[in-house]
Amino acid sequence: DAGVIQSPRHEVTEMGQEVTLRCKPISGHDYLFWYRQTMMRGLELLIYFNNNVPIDDSGMPEDRFSAKMPNASFSTLKIQPSEPRDSAVYFCASSFRDKLFFGSGTQLSVL
Amino acid sequence: GNSVTQMEGPVTLSEEAFLTINCTYTATGYPSLFWYVQYPGEGLQLLLKATKADDKGSNKGFEATYRKETTSFHLEKGSVQVSDSAVYFCALSDRTGGGNKLTFGTGTQLKVEL
Repeated sequence: DAGVIQSPRHEVTEMGQEVTLRCKPISGHDYLFWYRQTMMRGLELLIYFNNNVPIDDSGMPEDRFSAKMPNASFSTLKIQPSEPRDSAVYFCASSFRDKLFFGSGTQLSVL
Repeated sequence: GNSVTQMEGPVTLSEEAFLTINCTYTATGYPSLFWYVQYPGEGLQLLLKATKADDKGSNKGFEATYRKETTSFHLEKGSVQVSDSAVYFCALSDRTGGGNKLTFGTGTQLKVEL
């Protein structure tokens, strides 16, 4: 298996633009997580899904952030409109039972 | 709520030195405990885990023992290598959430020099 696949690896955009981050979890995994990593705040859990259903989105910082999982093999995290303070590395992770696997992340820079 | 506290880095060591990275936790119930490692430009990878008190997790020469009495899970390695340079994260699982929902510490950067 190729592991958790995230795209793009790097995204540079201007303030106010819409940003969409994509994730393909490992086949057969029933949980999917979105994390954000910054120097100031470390790793923060934004939202997670179980069998494509959002379970806990209490970590989503604002209404500008939204996440979907239309099927078991794809999820998106959208920021609209983006702001400079959204600059961070965004990780997607999937798990089955007690094993969690991370993607390589998307480095987002909002200018 | 659950929380994990790690020693601040960076930790700089010479090759073959002994490593300890401290980790303590606060949690309700009986969490599982984990150490993850992040190499530059990559996602986190599971290094080792322990699921109950007094369990010892080990992998690649790293060890950590689940100490319920001190709520600690310190990471140790007897002889570090330059290739161990990375950021290390201590984490605990929230079993109530299911699916290995983890609470992470802030990470400790390790630099190993020749």
